[in-house]
Amino acid sequence: GDSVTQMEGPVTLSEEAFLTINCTYTATGYPSLFWYVQYPGEGLQLLLKATKADDKGSNKGFEATYRKETTSFHLEKGSVQVSDSAVYFCALHSGGYNKLIFGAGTRLAVHP
Amino acid sequence: AAGVIQSPRHLIKEKRETATLKCYPIPRHDTVYWYQQGPGQDPQFLISFYEKMQSDKGSIPDRFSAQQFSDYHSELNMSSLELGDSALYFCASSADSTADGANVLTFGAGSRLTVL
Repeated sequence: GDSVTQMEGPVTLSEEAFLTINCTYTATGYPSLFWYVQYPGEGLQLLLKATKADDKGSNKGFEATYRKETTSFHLEKGSVQVSDSAVYFCALHSGGYNKLIFGAGTRLAVHP
Repeated sequence: AAGVIQSPRHLIKEKRETATLKCYPIPRHDTVYWYQQGPGQDPQFLISFYEKMQSDKGSIPDRFSAQQFSDYHSELNMSSLELGDSALYFCASSADSTADGANVLTFGAGSRLTVL
């Protein structure tokens, strides 16, 4: 079945460091891909999305490019802030009824 | 802007009791989803409803049931609660696919259920 694999966390960085969180997927057809972020004690918020190959989703300095050839959707940010500390979930949009399939999540901790 | 509203935010129950969670989707969203997130886990899809009919079913235990009402709000009923049911329960809603073809789910803040 369809699935999402993310790099394990936690990822610990200093402020202004470069961030990469790897995400690869397995899916039939051509899924839409998403990154959701979950801040402590809160629900899931959509961070960015891409719907077809070579699309780049971007928001709040975060970027991810839909790479069909490598079935990847890695999340990057050039300079992280303490406020970026959260759990990041890669997800794909699967099936005819639009449910999301999530990866295991990667916890990011950014220190001053 | 209106968001997905879930209630209660926190709920404490004893084993074998029953719990009901409520979800009020964003106005004009026609699909509601329920997810369960255990501690340190990724959200697991339970069930979804489109226009008040069950549209998809995931790893929902037989002890759980859900429905969507005429006003589009949804309720998740959980009976014979077990310790392992302690989790965050998220509701999400979505409208028909956007112009770019991506169906975006908007999540509520979640209901935290603790079973003692």
